[in-house]
Amino acid sequence: EAGVAQSPRYKIIEKRQSVAFWCNPISGHATLYWYQQILGQGPKLLIQFQNNGVVDDSQLPKDRFSAERLKGVDSTLKIQPAKLEDSAVYLCASSLGQTNTEAFFGQGTRLTVV
Amino acid sequence: GDSVTQMEGPVTLSEEAFLTINCTYTATGYPSLFWYVQYPGEGLQLLLKATKADDKGSNKGFEATYRKETTSFHLEKGSVQVSDSAVYFCALSDLGGYSTLTFGKGTMLLVSP
Repeated sequence: EAGVAQSPRYKIIEKRQSVAFWCNPISGHATLYWYQQILGQGPKLLIQFQNNGVVDDSQLPKDRFSAERLKGVDSTLKIQPAKLEDSAVYLCASSLGQTNTEAFFGQGTRLTVV
Repeated sequence: GDSVTQMEGPVTLSEEAFLTINCTYTATGYPSLFWYVQYPGEGLQLLLKATKADDKGSNKGFEATYRKETTSFHLEKGSVQVSDSAVYFCALSDLGGYSTLTFGKGTMLLVSP
């Protein structure tokens, strides 16, 4: 089966610019996650969707980050305006949605803010 | 809140050496525990998991035992290969939630021939 797809793989932008990342989860997976992985650290959850509703966005910097999951399938994560400290790998993951089912990760988008 | 602490790396071993990567956790409930692996240039992959105390997860020669009394989930392998070189992440998922993962910082393993 196809895995979690993310694009782009790499992005370089200047600070104060905006950027968007796209994720297509595994077909049939109700739960979708966006994680931020700063170099040398473990992934940190930014937002979690159950179908098209937000379950947890407590660690999402809402003044600059936004995310949506239209129709409960694809999702986009946007940063506007970007800061230097937003340089990281942004990982999308999906799971069936039942408690403690395995989360499958995409390859991530590496963002560099200069 | 929930947290995971892993030993710092890099861990440098020769091929066929024994591997241990320590992981301890703090959680309010009874979490499930996971080890994920990230090979160079690739995404995170689930390596093994354990869902309750005393469970042993195993895969590809790696194993880890859920120790509730010591809140630990150490990763072990009896004989590492060069192809095991990667970053290993310990993680937990609170049983009460929708499988949200809390990760440790990761431990890089470098295996030389």
